[in-house]
Amino acid sequence: QQPVQSPQAVILREGEDAVINCSSSKALYSVHWYRQKHGEAPVFLMILLKGGEQKGHEKISASFNEKKQQSSLYLTASQLSYSGTYFCGTENTGNQFYFGTGTSLTVIP
Amino acid sequence: GAVVSQHPSRVICKSGTSVKIECRSLDFQATTMFWYRQFPKQSLMLMATSNEGSKATYEQGVEKDKFLINHASLTLSTLTVTSAHPEDSSFYICSARDGRQTAPGNTIYFGEGSWLTVV
Repeated sequence: QQPVQSPQAVILREGEDAVINCSSSKALYSVHWYRQKHGEAPVFLMILLKGGEQKGHEKISASFNEKKQQSSLYLTASQLSYSGTYFCGTENTGNQFYFGTGTSLTVIP
Repeated sequence: GAVVSQHPSRVICKSGTSVKIECRSLDFQATTMFWYRQFPKQSLMLMATSNEGSKATYEQGVEKDKFLINHASLTLSTLTVTSAHPEDSSFYICSARDGRQTAPGNTIYFGEGSWLTVV
């Protein structure tokens, strides 16, 4: 049931771009993206609904391909504050909400 | 904005005792609440989905008798770890969906999380 994310970890220099992928084996209503810092609760980034939606704000955007049951998070011109673990969250027909396996992102100067 | 309050944020208990964690939605009615457990450097694992007024739906492998979940009102869900053991030490976090928004895909709000240490 748990969505699989790739890559598991990535290290970037400030200003570089990254893509994080989330893949589910189940049909999805929506995909949510979160960033978590160590010891803290996840912070909501955005929701994407089925319909091939793409969203973004500032330098973080995401897409959702419901047919492929996949979503991607795009981080452009990364900043030090982007460091953390990114999780996708998927909502299925059973009213359940599962987090993905996580992607550790480290931005270095 | 919507706020979910989780309490306590940190708790230390002795092995064999029980500990209760509360999750409250402060300015909305939460018809559905979720409980997760997170081990260091791992993802948040769904333990159970709790609907107000009905029994929680537990994920496979989660012991119902050990992790008691009660969702007695539209603003409160509790997780009780019974007869806690050191291996139950973990970060527990709840989340809630606003019941006024019936369509799927609406924002799910998270509590601050609770660190449980069993000694």
